[in-house]
Amino acid sequence: GQQLNQSPQSMFIQEGEDVSMNCTSSSIFNTWLWYKQDPGEGPVLLIALYKAGELTSNGRLTAQFGITRKDSFLNISASIPSDVGIYFCAGQKYSGAGSYQLTFGKGTKLSVIP
Amino acid sequence: EPEVTQTPSHQVTQMGQEVILRCVPISNHLYFYWYRQILGQKVEFLVSFYNNEISEKSEIFDDQFSVERPDGSNFTLKIRSTKLEDSAMYFCASSEPQETQYFGPGTRLLVL
Repeated sequence: GQQLNQSPQSMFIQEGEDVSMNCTSSSIFNTWLWYKQDPGEGPVLLIALYKAGELTSNGRLTAQFGITRKDSFLNISASIPSDVGIYFCAGQKYSGAGSYQLTFGKGTKLSVIP
Repeated sequence: EPEVTQTPSHQVTQMGQEVILRCVPISNHLYFYWYRQILGQKVEFLVSFYNNEISEKSEIFDDQFSVERPDGSNFTLKIRSTKLEDSAMYFCASSEPQETQYFGPGTRLLVL
C-alpha cells in the first residue's frame, strides 16, 4: 500500500522556537493535508494544499506542497505550549467511484518546553 | 461551526460481541468515511461510502465489518464479532465532493 514517510518522529523544543516537519511519498497525491491530534481527540485539519508548489499559511503555520506532488513540509513559527500534540500529514487521492482516500503519515509528536 | 459527532465516546465489550459505532456527519456532506487508529499508531483508512454504497474499502475492512446509513443523518460502523485486535480509536469523517475530510472526536473501543 501507499506509505508516507513523516519526520521527525518526535521533537522537544523550547517555547518560542520554530519547528519544521516534513512528509515524503513514493506516490503522487492530489491534495496534501496537515492535521493536529490532541490526546483522546480526532484529527483537526490545520492546512490543506491543493496545487503543486502551493505555499499556504494559517497564522503561525506555513505549509508547502512539493512540485512533484510527493512531498510537503509544515513549519510552525514561535511555538507556544498549546502547540503540543501529534501532527499528521495526509495525502488525499481520488480513488474513483466517489472515494477520496486519505493516507496518513506516522505522525510527529511535538513537545514544547515552557 | 458544523462538526462531525460520534457516539459513544467510549465502549467496552467482550470478545465475540457485536458493536455499533455511530456517527452524525456534517449535514451537507455527501462522502462518509471510517478510519481506525490503534493506540500509538497512525490513522488507517477503513472504508468510504457515497450514494448509499461502499466506494472503497481497505484490507482491514473484512467481512466482520459493515457500514450503513440507516436514515438521513446517521452513519454507522458495525463490527459483528469483535476481536481483541479491534481495540482502537474509530474515527468517522465526512466531506463535500473533492473537499477535505473533517473528523469526529472518535470512539475508543476496548475489546476484553
